Amino acid sequence: EAEVAQSPRYKITEKSQAVAFWCDPISGHATLYWYRQILGQGPELLVQFQDESVVDDSQLPKDRFSAERLKGVDSTLKIQPAELGDSAMYLCASSLLAGAGTDTQYFGPGTRLTVL
Amino acid sequence: AQSVAQPEDQVNVAEGNPLTVKCTYSVSGNPYLFWYVQYPNRGLQFLLKYITGDNLVKGSYGFEAEFNKSQTSFHLKKPSALVSDSALYFCAVRDMNRDDKIIFGKGTRLHILP
Repeated sequence: EAEVAQSPRYKITEKSQAVAFWCDPISGHATLYWYRQILGQGPELLVQFQDESVVDDSQLPKDRFSAERLKGVDSTLKIQPAELGDSAMYLCASSLLAGAGTDTQYFGPGTRLTVL
Repeated sequence: AQSVAQPEDQVNVAEGNPLTVKCTYSVSGNPYLFWYVQYPNRGLQFLLKYITGDNLVKGSYGFEAEFNKSQTSFHLKKPSALVSDSALYFCAVRDMNRDDKIIFGKGTRLHILP
């Protein structure tokens, strides 16, 4: 069964350093999502791509976060500089269709970030 | 604005007993509703969704959920709980009449006691 791949699974960094997370969605999935999940809470959308274009980045802290999906396949989420409050699980998800609200999102295993 | 509430932080059920995990929602239009499960250090796994049609939706691992429009609820149920059902469960909603993102609840931790 195809899965969403993410790396690394765990990342420990010091504040003010730069970190990057990678996601490879299920093959053929047009839509890719990055979520942040703080301990004890549900995932919150950071950015949504349809193919290579950003559809929604309204909740992305653009002063320090950036995301790209250059060829419309895999994606990278970057934080620079990292702050203590960025400690969380970063989840990537993908869905087959473009712009379909009914479409199921499939999640990767996540990257757990700890900022010291 | 759309929202979803999971009123219980934790639910404890004895193995073999029926289980219910509660979810209520608020949208301006008609909802799309989803349930996901998360095991420790794992991503979310899709269980089931309600789009339209029959109010009782059947999903993975023997779970089902009932859409109740008058009570704006979408409770997750299973007739007989297994210890392996112990996990974190998330309800999510999307307003089908708006081009909004999906909103997740805070999650309910389910403990199945042997």
